[in-house]
Amino acid sequence: QKEVEQNSGPLSVPEGAIASLNCTYSDRGSQSFFWYRQYSGKSPELIMFIYSNGDKEDGRFTAQLNKASQYVSLLIRDSQPSDSATYLCAVNGWKNKLVFGAGTILRVKS
Amino acid sequence: ETGVTQTPRHLVMGMTNKKSLKCEQHLGHNAMYWYKQSAKKPLELMFVYNFKEQTENNSVPSRFSPECPNSSHLFLHLHTLQPEDSALYLCASSQDLYSPGQPQHFGDGTRLSIL
Repeated sequence: QKEVEQNSGPLSVPEGAIASLNCTYSDRGSQSFFWYRQYSGKSPELIMFIYSNGDKEDGRFTAQLNKASQYVSLLIRDSQPSDSATYLCAVNGWKNKLVFGAGTILRVKS
Repeated sequence: ETGVTQTPRHLVMGMTNKKSLKCEQHLGHNAMYWYKQSAKKPLELMFVYNFKEQTENNSVPSRFSPECPNSSHLFLHLHTLQPEDSALYLCASSQDLYSPGQPQHFGDGTRLSIL
């Protein structure tokens, strides 16, 4: 079983729609969860982090965490073509190491 | 300069060459990391340094040799690489390893191609 799993996509959504990106993790002891955005040929850029169960909103982005289900998601409202990128889920694991998923490709069509 | 800077951005080398990748962070962080990113695979952690001391070597082949002279600089020395080592090599930094949940900030990476 992979430690952090994401659907590779691509996930295609029309401009203005809500994009929903999902991630599951295997380590029940994980405490911190991060979403990074990576444009092609660029480095990962931190866009959200969440530590507590529930929702955390930042602008058009909402991170959702359910530790009982070992599930974290990222919602992007009013999706724009500029949101097209690969979204990486990362989970804080043993010795404070970040474990990354393989990423979900998001395509927003205008 | 701000953030995490990596040089060179692109590197093509033969299997018998020796080269070095450089990373510099201007964030006042104490932990630095090397990652390897291959196509369609998760980021693979290679090495971790905290306050200049190596705390993690994730079973990386000895043809990769890291060096951390101070908390702001990190090098990855390369020698006798294999074609499968072609990848994007990313450097990252965070405040330290002791505070849980510290986000890591990445450089733009070095795209390495082995001929």
